[in-house]
Amino acid sequence: DAGITQSPRHKVTETGTPVTLRCHQTENHRYMYWYRQDPGHGLRLIHYSYGVKDTDKGEVSDGYSVSRSKTEDFLLTLESATSSQTSVYFCAISESGQNSGYTFGSGTRLTVV
Amino acid sequence: AQSVTQPDIHITVSEGASLELRCNYSYGATPYLFWYVQSPGQGLQLLLKYFSGDTLVQGIKGFEAEFKRSQSSFNLRKPSVHWSDAAEYFCAGVRGTSYGKLTFGQGTILTVHP
Repeated sequence: DAGITQSPRHKVTETGTPVTLRCHQTENHRYMYWYRQDPGHGLRLIHYSYGVKDTDKGEVSDGYSVSRSKTEDFLLTLESATSSQTSVYFCAISESGQNSGYTFGSGTRLTVV
Repeated sequence: AQSVTQPDIHITVSEGASLELRCNYSYGATPYLFWYVQSPGQGLQLLLKYFSGDTLVQGIKGFEAEFKRSQSSFNLRKPSVHWSDAAEYFCAGVRGTSYGKLTFGQGTILTVHP
């Protein structure tokens, strides 16, 4: 979507390696989110940020960490990738949360072999 | 705990038929509610949203949804389905004081027969 980009779009990595996914926005929105999408589970929140250096855990945060050193970038790190982390990862941004709506990135398809 | 449930995993309709996708929510107070659509290999596109006021909400692509507090439901409807509507549909909700953390339903896959 315009104003939000995710990189890489696709990645294959080996079990046990660290992986970092990047979400970049040009909207200057305060809130950023990382979700993972798996069949039968919809999208589940991994971590979110409500400002620079302000982050918190979501529903499925084990094995993941995040950082937000600038408003525009929100990084998701898999500290030691496992096959259960094979998924499609979506970043979302929101200006004020709740009623300001959300814009989603195009997703990153991660395969852990 | 807050939750959003979509009871139907897969729905098949004929082109031109009407459509209703079900969504139930469980929140202590009225949440903000959304419907998103996802085409294969694509991201999520917002169809419509409900915050307050009129309980019948109009969205894009001819979709509408009705908020029913008594039934804790927010069902998505379309009077006449087109083949291009085949996709996966997600209902989502957020509580007013939760940093905007969306909770998604499991999704409903819509197949449209010609």
